[in-house]
Amino acid sequence: GAVVSQHPSRVICKSGTSVKIECRSLDFQATTMFWYRQFPKQSLMLMATSNEGSKATYEQGVEKDKFLINHASLTLSTLTVTSAHPEDSSFYICSAPLAGGPWDEQFFGPGTRLTVL
Amino acid sequence: QKEVEQNSGPLSVPEGAIASLNCTYSDRGSQSFFWYRQYSGKSPELIMFIYSNGDKEDGRFTAQLNKASQYVSLLIRDSQPSDSATYLCAALIKAAGNKLTFGGGTRVLVKP
Repeated sequence: GAVVSQHPSRVICKSGTSVKIECRSLDFQATTMFWYRQFPKQSLMLMATSNEGSKATYEQGVEKDKFLINHASLTLSTLTVTSAHPEDSSFYICSAPLAGGPWDEQFFGPGTRLTVL
Repeated sequence: QKEVEQNSGPLSVPEGAIASLNCTYSDRGSQSFFWYRQYSGKSPELIMFIYSNGDKEDGRFTAQLNKASQYVSLLIRDSQPSDSATYLCAALIKAAGNKLTFGGGTRVLVKP
């Protein structure tokens, strides 16, 4: 099956700093990638859709200026959490759909655990 | 009203029994439905998908879809302790850009 990687897997940072998370599709190209956030004991909430060659589409309530998304190539999307605060501590997961067929299966990265002190 | 709803559980089943999980959705534009299993601290892994009415079986898992009633279910036969996890139901609307909408998840505990 298709593989999606994320880096780093875990990051601890001080309040006010910025953190960049990378999402890569290793063996397929993805013009679209999705970024999710998951707080403890809650489900995945879609934050934004990353589009290669164009601006990301953000879900309602997600601050564009705080969560910067760049889809630099057909295999790489990055999420930068700017001026991170403790409330941004969460599990961030990306996914990339493999096109084809009546549905596009989304392959999930292993996730990045962000802790803001 | 949430777009995809699941009973949060926990659903406790004895080892070897059948675990039955339900999911309802509100958007009739939903085309495909997915069941993911998520272990604590890990990302979701796909168990099954279904997009036609009826049943679909894969090993110990059976997914059922009823579009008229807007519900999806997952049966886990011969439940094993390793099946203890949170099961996420998700609906996909291609017209909405292939976005997956997840339910809150059902926690399943399989007791030896």
